[in-house]
Amino acid sequence: DQQVKQNSPSLSVQEGRISILNCDYTNSMFDYFLWYKKYPAEGPTFLISISSIKDKNEDGRFTVFLNKSAKHLSLHIVPSQPGDSAVYFCAASEGNYGQNFVFGPGTRLSVLP
Amino acid sequence: EAGVTQSPTHLIKTRGQQATLRCSPISGHTSVYWYQQALGLGLQFLLWYDEGEERNRGNFPPRFSGRQFPNYSSELNVNALELEDSALYLCASSFPTGHNQPQHFGDGTRLSIL
Repeated sequence: DQQVKQNSPSLSVQEGRISILNCDYTNSMFDYFLWYKKYPAEGPTFLISISSIKDKNEDGRFTVFLNKSAKHLSLHIVPSQPGDSAVYFCAASEGNYGQNFVFGPGTRLSVLP
Repeated sequence: EAGVTQSPTHLIKTRGQQATLRCSPISGHTSVYWYQQALGLGLQFLLWYDEGEERNRGNFPPRFSGRQFPNYSSELNVNALELEDSALYLCASSFPTGHNQPQHFGDGTRLSIL
């Protein structure tokens, strides 16, 4: 049973527009959430995180929103750039001890020039 | 600052053999994590080492094992290799747990079983 879901395998967005990547989770004990970006032949690169005490965290063009009641988080990229084309993974962990991140299956973002 | 380094980049083995994958964490990181990414699947947690001890393991058989050395580098050993072990194995490191800390990944070892 997938605890972290990314229901859109792929997403295409025009350059300069907003990209919204979604992630849902089922484990209400998750309290730390992260987004990673992965290019082919490279390891995932940490993008941004949010703890459950917040509902929004922003870092430059990247903003993560957390809706705990809906068990949903999203990553907004504004404006989208062709270099943002990659696979994006959502990850979650439970508690302060034992950071066994549970990863979603990923969403492939294509930013079209 | 050097990132997480993994070796080898590629490894080709045959069924029944044993494979050893290596990982050097970012300086100052004491926790090392191993993940398996099979083709078309997400990252599956394998093992977590901290201060030389195995702290947790994912839902993998005992033939997946490893260790962490005093310098915090780590090895992942896979015994009695099976075809389905073909995957990208990713190592990540982080500062000590107890705080919400992101994990930083290496570029992985691609293990191919023939």
